[in-house]
Amino acid sequence: TQLLEQSPQFLSIQEGENLTVYCNSSSVFSSLQWYRQEPGEGPVLLVTVVTGGEVKKLKRLTFQFGDARKDSSLHITAAQPGDTGLYLCAGLNTGNQFYFGTGTSLTVIP
Amino acid sequence: DAGVIQSPRHEVTEMGQEVTLRCKPISGHDYLFWYRQTMMRGLELLIYFNNNVPIDDSGMPEDRFSAKMPNASFSTLKIQPSEPRDSAVYFCASSWFQTGTQYFGPGTRLLVL
Repeated sequence: TQLLEQSPQFLSIQEGENLTVYCNSSSVFSSLQWYRQEPGEGPVLLVTVVTGGEVKKLKRLTFQFGDARKDSSLHITAAQPGDTGLYLCAGLNTGNQFYFGTGTSLTVIP
Repeated sequence: DAGVIQSPRHEVTEMGQEVTLRCKPISGHDYLFWYRQTMMRGLELLIYFNNNVPIDDSGMPEDRFSAKMPNASFSTLKIQPSEPRDSAVYFCASSWFQTGTQYFGPGTRLLVL
Protein backbone atom coordinates (compact mmCIF):
# COMPACT_ATOMS: atom_id res chain seq x y z
CA THR A 1 0.00 0.00 0.00
CA GLN A 2 1.41 3.36 -1.02
CA LEU A 3 0.01 5.60 1.65
CA LEU A 4 -1.06 9.11 0.81
CA GLU A 5 -1.59 11.12 3.97
CA GLN A 6 -3.73 14.22 3.76
CA SER A 7 -3.81 17.02 6.26
CA PRO A 8 -5.70 18.37 7.91
CA GLN A 9 -8.28 15.61 8.19
CA PHE A 10 -11.03 18.10 9.04
CA LEU A 11 -11.20 21.82 8.37
CA SER A 12 -13.95 24.28 9.21
CA ILE A 13 -13.52 27.89 8.11
CA GLN A 14 -15.52 31.03 7.53
CA GLU A 15 -16.55 32.15 4.08
CA GLY A 16 -13.87 34.35 2.53
CA GLU A 17 -10.92 32.75 4.28
CA ASN A 18 -8.04 31.05 2.52
CA LEU A 19 -6.93 27.48 3.16
CA THR A 20 -4.39 24.91 2.08
CA VAL A 21 -4.77 21.14 2.05
CA TYR A 22 -1.73 18.87 1.86
CA CYS A 23 -1.19 15.43 0.36
CA ASN A 24 2.06 13.70 1.34
CA SER A 25 3.71 10.37 0.63
CA SER A 26 7.08 8.69 0.83
CA SER A 27 6.50 7.25 -2.64
CA VAL A 28 7.05 8.87 -6.01
CA PHE A 29 4.04 9.13 -8.28
CA SER A 30 3.86 9.53 -12.04
CA SER A 31 0.96 11.92 -11.64
CA LEU A 32 -1.46 13.06 -9.03
CA GLN A 33 -5.12 13.90 -9.17
CA TRP A 34 -7.39 15.91 -6.90
CA TYR A 35 -11.06 15.02 -6.51
CA ARG A 36 -13.93 16.66 -4.64
CA GLN A 37 -16.72 14.56 -3.21
CA GLU A 38 -20.01 16.04 -2.05
CA PRO A 39 -22.26 14.24 0.44
CA GLY A 40 -24.14 11.35 -1.12
CA GLU A 41 -22.21 11.49 -4.36
CA GLY A 42 -19.09 10.02 -5.90
CA PRO A 43 -15.79 11.88 -6.24
CA VAL A 44 -15.42 14.26 -9.18
CA LEU A 45 -12.04 14.99 -10.74
CA LEU A 46 -10.79 18.55 -10.33
CA VAL A 47 -7.31 18.40 -11.82
CA THR A 48 -4.39 16.18 -12.80
CA VAL A 49 -0.78 17.28 -12.28
CA VAL A 50 2.01 15.42 -14.01
CA THR A 51 5.30 17.32 -13.85
CA GLY A 52 7.29 17.88 -10.67
CA GLY A 53 6.83 21.49 -9.58
CA GLU A 54 3.78 21.93 -11.77
CA VAL A 55 1.21 24.50 -10.70
CA LYS A 56 -2.33 24.52 -12.05
CA LYS A 57 -5.07 27.00 -11.33
CA LEU A 58 -8.79 26.38 -11.51
CA LYS A 59 -10.53 29.66 -10.68
CA ARG A 60 -9.94 30.11 -6.92
CA LEU A 61 -8.19 26.74 -6.57
CA THR A 62 -4.42 26.38 -7.01
CA PHE A 63 -2.83 22.94 -7.21
CA GLN A 64 0.87 22.23 -6.92
CA PHE A 65 2.83 19.02 -7.46
CA GLY A 66 6.00 18.75 -5.40
CA ASP A 67 9.36 18.85 -7.15
CA ALA A 68 10.07 15.26 -6.14
CA ARG A 69 6.56 14.15 -7.14
CA LYS A 70 5.90 12.81 -3.63
CA ASP A 71 3.53 15.49 -2.42
CA SER A 72 0.94 17.99 -3.52
CA SER A 73 -1.06 20.87 -2.16
CA LEU A 74 -4.41 22.45 -2.87
CA HIS A 75 -4.91 26.10 -1.98
CA ILE A 76 -8.34 27.70 -2.02
CA THR A 77 -8.63 31.48 -2.02
CA ALA A 78 -11.68 33.20 -0.58
CA ALA A 79 -13.52 29.99 0.22
CA GLN A 80 -17.24 29.81 -0.47
CA PRO A 81 -19.93 27.51 0.97
CA GLY A 82 -20.01 25.74 -2.39
CA ASP A 83 -16.44 24.57 -1.76
CA THR A 84 -17.69 22.38 1.09
CA GLY A 85 -16.91 18.71 0.54
CA LEU A 86 -14.38 15.94 0.90
CA TYR A 87 -11.15 16.59 -1.00
CA LEU A 88 -9.22 13.53 -2.08
CA CYS A 89 -5.82 13.25 -3.69
CA ALA A 90 -4.94 10.18 -5.76
CA GLY A 91 -1.45 9.22 -6.86
CA LEU A 92 -0.64 7.14 -9.91
CA ASN A 93 2.15 4.66 -9.22
CA THR A 94 4.51 2.91 -11.60
CA GLY A 95 2.01 0.07 -11.90
CA ASN A 96 -0.53 2.49 -13.39
CA GLN A 97 -2.80 2.24 -10.40
CA PHE A 98 -4.28 5.14 -8.48
CA TYR A 99 -4.06 5.17 -4.69
CA PHE A 100 -6.40 7.54 -2.93
CA GLY A 101 -5.42 9.69 0.01
CA THR A 102 -7.08 9.71 3.40
CA GLY A 103 -9.17 12.77 2.53
CA THR A 104 -9.77 16.25 3.94
CA SER A 105 -13.29 17.18 4.93
CA LEU A 106 -13.85 20.90 4.37
CA THR A 107 -16.75 22.90 5.74
CA VAL A 108 -17.14 26.54 4.72
CA ILE A 109 -19.48 28.42 7.01
CA PRO A 110 -21.50 31.26 5.44
CA ASP B 1 -24.80 10.54 -21.20
CA ALA B 2 -26.42 9.40 -17.96
CA GLY B 3 -23.11 8.80 -16.25
CA VAL B 4 -22.23 5.74 -14.22
CA ILE B 5 -25.35 4.13 -12.80
CA GLN B 6 -25.35 2.11 -9.61
CA SER B 7 -28.12 0.17 -7.92
CA PRO B 8 -29.39 -0.06 -5.35
CA ARG B 9 -28.53 3.32 -3.81
CA HIS B 10 -29.12 1.96 -0.32
CA GLU B 11 -29.10 -1.59 0.98
CA VAL B 12 -29.82 -2.81 4.48
CA THR B 13 -29.38 -6.49 5.14
CA GLU B 14 -28.72 -8.91 7.93
CA MET B 15 -25.46 -10.65 8.59
CA GLY B 16 -25.11 -13.81 6.56
CA GLN B 17 -27.24 -12.66 3.67
CA GLU B 18 -26.01 -12.34 0.09
CA VAL B 19 -25.67 -8.84 -1.27
CA THR B 20 -25.37 -7.95 -4.96
CA LEU B 21 -24.39 -4.48 -6.09
CA ARG B 22 -24.82 -3.45 -9.70
CA CYS B 23 -23.07 -1.00 -11.99
CA LYS B 24 -23.59 0.28 -15.50
CA PRO B 25 -20.50 2.12 -16.75
CA ILE B 26 -20.45 4.99 -19.21
CA SER B 27 -20.81 3.66 -22.74
CA GLY B 28 -17.47 3.37 -24.52
CA HIS B 29 -15.36 3.24 -21.37
CA ASP B 30 -12.98 0.28 -21.38
CA TYR B 31 -12.13 0.31 -17.68
CA LEU B 32 -14.39 -0.34 -14.72
CA PHE B 33 -13.35 0.01 -11.09
CA TRP B 34 -15.00 -1.03 -7.84
CA TYR B 35 -14.13 0.92 -4.68
CA ARG B 36 -15.15 0.76 -1.04
CA GLN B 37 -15.22 3.86 1.16
CA THR B 38 -15.27 3.91 4.95
CA MET B 39 -14.35 6.51 7.51
CA MET B 40 -11.57 4.33 8.87
CA ARG B 41 -9.92 3.24 5.62
CA GLY B 42 -10.96 5.90 3.15
CA LEU B 43 -11.43 4.99 -0.51
CA GLU B 44 -10.00 1.59 -1.39
CA LEU B 45 -9.75 -0.02 -4.82
CA LEU B 46 -11.24 -3.51 -4.71
CA ILE B 47 -10.93 -4.69 -8.32
CA TYR B 48 -10.80 -3.32 -11.83
CA PHE B 49 -11.67 -4.64 -15.27
CA ASN B 50 -10.37 -3.88 -18.73
CA ASN B 51 -12.65 -4.82 -21.60
CA ASN B 52 -14.72 -6.98 -19.22
CA VAL B 53 -11.66 -8.92 -18.00
CA PRO B 54 -10.60 -8.68 -14.34
CA ILE B 55 -7.07 -7.27 -14.26
CA ASP B 56 -6.30 -6.80 -10.57
CA ASP B 57 -8.38 -8.12 -7.71
CA SER B 58 -5.72 -7.77 -5.05
CA GLY B 59 -7.89 -5.29 -3.19
CA MET B 60 -10.74 -7.73 -2.69
CA PRO B 61 -10.73 -8.28 1.06
CA GLU B 62 -11.81 -11.90 1.25
CA ASP B 63 -13.21 -14.80 -0.70
CA ARG B 64 -16.63 -13.62 0.37
CA PHE B 65 -16.28 -10.89 -2.22
CA SER B 66 -16.59 -11.58 -5.94
CA ALA B 67 -17.04 -9.38 -9.00
CA LYS B 68 -18.09 -10.09 -12.54
CA MET B 69 -18.44 -8.16 -15.74
CA PRO B 70 -20.43 -10.30 -18.20
CA ASN B 71 -20.54 -7.54 -20.82
CA ALA B 72 -19.35 -4.01 -21.46
CA SER B 73 -22.41 -2.42 -19.94
CA PHE B 74 -22.85 -4.31 -16.69
CA SER B 75 -20.88 -5.38 -13.64
CA THR B 76 -21.77 -6.85 -10.28
CA LEU B 77 -20.05 -6.98 -6.91
CA LYS B 78 -21.31 -9.75 -4.70
CA ILE B 79 -20.75 -10.34 -1.00
CA GLN B 80 -21.68 -13.77 0.33
CA PRO B 81 -22.09 -14.09 3.24
CA SER B 82 -22.20 -10.47 4.34
CA GLU B 83 -20.81 -9.32 7.68
CA PRO B 84 -21.31 -6.10 9.68
CA ARG B 85 -17.74 -4.99 8.87
CA ASP B 86 -18.70 -4.91 5.20
CA SER B 87 -20.86 -1.86 5.91
CA ALA B 88 -19.55 0.93 3.70
CA VAL B 89 -20.29 2.94 0.59
CA TYR B 90 -19.36 1.02 -2.55
CA PHE B 91 -18.52 3.00 -5.65
CA CYS B 92 -18.23 1.97 -9.24
CA ALA B 93 -16.18 4.11 -11.63
CA SER B 94 -15.33 3.88 -15.31
CA SER B 95 -12.79 5.45 -17.62
CA TRP B 96 -11.61 5.38 -21.23
CA PHE B 97 -8.11 4.32 -20.27
CA GLN B 98 -6.44 3.11 -17.11
CA THR B 99 -4.78 6.34 -16.10
CA GLY B 100 -7.48 8.64 -17.32
CA THR B 101 -10.24 10.46 -15.56
CA GLN B 102 -12.42 8.13 -13.57
CA TYR B 103 -16.12 8.90 -13.54
CA PHE B 104 -17.74 7.72 -10.35
CA GLY B 105 -21.28 6.57 -9.80
CA PRO B 106 -23.34 7.84 -6.87
CA GLY B 107 -22.45 4.81 -4.76
CA THR B 108 -24.37 2.14 -2.89
CA ARG B 109 -24.59 2.66 0.84
CA LEU B 110 -24.55 -0.80 2.43
CA LEU B 111 -25.48 -1.49 6.02
CA VAL B 112 -25.11 -5.02 7.33
CA LEU B 113 -26.85 -5.55 10.66
